[in-house]
Amino acid sequence: DVVMTQTPLSLSVTPGQPASISCKSSQSLLHSTGRTYLSWYLQKPGQPPQLLIYEVSNRFSGVPDRFSGSGSGTDFTLKISRVEAEDVGVYYCMQSIQLPYSFGQGTKLEIK
Amino acid sequence: QVQLVQSGGEVKKPGASVKVSCKASGYTFTSYGIYWVRQAPGQGLEWVGWISGSNGDTHYAQRLQGRVTVTTDTSTSTAYMELSSLRSDDTAVYYCARGHWGIDYWGQGTLVTVSS
Repeated sequence: DVVMTQTPLSLSVTPGQPASISCKSSQSLLHSTGRTYLSWYLQKPGQPPQLLIYEVSNRFSGVPDRFSGSGSGTDFTLKISRVEAEDVGVYYCMQSIQLPYSFGQGTKLEIK
Repeated sequence: QVQLVQSGGEVKKPGASVKVSCKASGYTFTSYGIYWVRQAPGQGLEWVGWISGSNGDTHYAQRLQGRVTVTTDTSTSTAYMELSSLRSDDTAVYYCARGHWGIDYWGQGTLVTVSS
C-alpha cells in the first residue's frame, strides 16, 4: 500500500499570511498515462472533506485561486497565498493511483 | 448538481451488523465508482472500500476484509456498505464518496456507534 506523509501536522497562521503543507508518498504517483494522482482536501469542523485540488495542481470548481498545488513523483505541496478565517480546518492529501487509496495524517490549520 | 445522501445514524451492540445507504443523484450512477471512507472520533480518514459503478468490481481494506461488503442497486442509484461483527473500534463516521481515479464529491456522513 502507498503511505502518505504530511508535514507539518499543525499550522497557526495570521490572516493574510501564506501557508504551505508538504505531502510525500512512499512511491511515485505518476501513472503511465502521464497523469499524477494526488489530491488535496479540506475538512472544515463538522463537515465532510471537500475537494480543493486534483491531479497535483488543478483547482476544483469553485475553489479560490489563493489555493495552489505543485509537485511531482513523490513530493507535493499545497500553498495558500493569503490565509483567510474560512480556511480553518484539517487538510488531507490523498493518493489515487492505486487501491486502496490512502490519506496523509492531516494538517490542522488554525488562525492566530 | 451531484448529491450523495446517506442514511441516518445508527447505534449497534458489539457483534451486530450495520448497513449504511448512499443515494446518488445529479449524474449517471454507472459512470463513477463509489468509495467508502470512515473517520473515528478525532482521527483521520481511513479507506473502507470501493465498488465500480459499471461492473460491480470491489476492493476492500485488508483490515476489514471478511467483515465489509459494498453493493449497489443501479435501479435506484444507491450504494450500500454493510459491516458485520461490529466492535467498539468500528465507531466512526462513515462517508460515501464518488469518483473516478480520485474522489470529488462526498456524502454528509453517517455516524455508527458501537456500544454495549
